[in-house]
Amino acid sequence: GESVGLHLPTLSVQEGDNSIINCAYSNSASDYFIWYKQESGKGPQFIIDIRSNMDKRQGQRVTVLLNKTVKHLSLQIAATQPGDSAVYFCAENIRGSQGNLIFGKGTKLSVKP
Amino acid sequence: DAGVIQSPRHEVTEMGQEVTLRCKPISGHNSLFWYRQTMMRGLELLIYFNNNVPIDDSGMPEDRFSAKMPNASFSTLKIQPSEPRDSAVYFCASKGQGARNSPLHFGNGTRLTVT
Repeated sequence: GESVGLHLPTLSVQEGDNSIINCAYSNSASDYFIWYKQESGKGPQFIIDIRSNMDKRQGQRVTVLLNKTVKHLSLQIAATQPGDSAVYFCAENIRGSQGNLIFGKGTKLSVKP
Repeated sequence: DAGVIQSPRHEVTEMGQEVTLRCKPISGHNSLFWYRQTMMRGLELLIYFNNNVPIDDSGMPEDRFSAKMPNASFSTLKIQPSEPRDSAVYFCASKGQGARNSPLHFGNGTRLTVT
């Protein structure tokens, strides 16, 4: 499978626990943020997004929190399941750009059964 | 919805050969992006198109790389001549019309190995 995770930060959690994956972004002009999940051998898959005029957004089992003061983004996954094991990327869209995303390096989530 | 379709899934070639990667975006999407993913550099934007027109190719590494979008349903990324350092997974992504702040939809990539 895809070996993007060799040098990635890794988060290991027990099945059923909650997971929190963090991301620091660098550009204060970024106004849109997305979390992607990438499984081995597949492309990044959209999970949830948030605009800069919001602090929190919830989806099914996932919550994204945005702290613009410290330029920090987090993804919370409730009741983590083995199928959540993947590499998670945050991405930002800089205001004024035409929609191209800048990706972080990723975090590998490993769920122990 | 078939999603973004890329071909081939895997490509192994020798240094100096020409490589062509193909992408079919989601029908109705008017923006198309080519990204490259490596362990060292993560996901990097190479080039993107709006309405078949290249908007920003500043991410294209060298003149050996070129991309075209002859129509709304097809794009190619060509490397000529290829080099071992081009080995990576190349992703194509597309985005719908009208909303700048909307997610990209990715294909499953082409894994390129240049020996």
